[in-house]
Amino acid sequence: GAVVSQHPSWVICKSGTSVKIECRSLDFQATTMFWYRQFPKQSLMLMATSNEGSKATYEQGVEKDKFLINHASLTLSTLTVTSAHPEDSSFYICSAPFNLNNEKLFFGSGTQLSVL
Amino acid sequence: KNQVEQSPQSLIILEGKNCTLQCNYTVSPFSNLRWYKQDTGRGPVSLTIMTFSENTKSNGRYTATLDADTKQSSLHITASQLSDSASYICVVSAQAGTALIFGKGTTLSVSS
Repeated sequence: GAVVSQHPSWVICKSGTSVKIECRSLDFQATTMFWYRQFPKQSLMLMATSNEGSKATYEQGVEKDKFLINHASLTLSTLTVTSAHPEDSSFYICSAPFNLNNEKLFFGSGTQLSVL
Repeated sequence: KNQVEQSPQSLIILEGKNCTLQCNYTVSPFSNLRWYKQDTGRGPVSLTIMTFSENTKSNGRYTATLDADTKQSSLHITASQLSDSASYICVVSAQAGTALIFGKGTTLSVSS
């Protein structure tokens, strides 16, 4: 069945390095994918909408040069946290809609990023 | 301002008991309301999704209700199990195809 695979599940990196997170739709194609950030005991916050073949749409306050998004194929979107700092430590989640009106929205398993 | 408020923030119940979680929203225009279950350190998993015309929807031991007039929804969990321990998130879509508005979730702990 339709599944969204997110990798890695967790990553620890040094301050100043870059980290890439992958989000893949399995058994279905997704022209759009969503990237969220979640702090402990907080709701998911939409960071950006990834669009296959075109630029991502970023939410207000999200630095596009900091969070690089690439949606190179219909099944893969990547989020790269560039020059990571401790304040970037968070739980990052992607999702992909299975149908046009986003009613069937599948989430990845999330990536816990810890920046030392 | 479009908002989704959930209550209680956290809840502890004994295994086998029932519980009800609440969700109030001010999102307009309304398209649909979803309930997700999120285990710690995992992504959300869909439980139910309801449109304006639907009043109730069940998924196993989970039953969601929707009152579009009062803009309230509830999620009722019957005969709770330890595996029900998770965060339950209410999500409202303002208009089909647009971004979702997430509640902060209710953290449910089921103890034996």
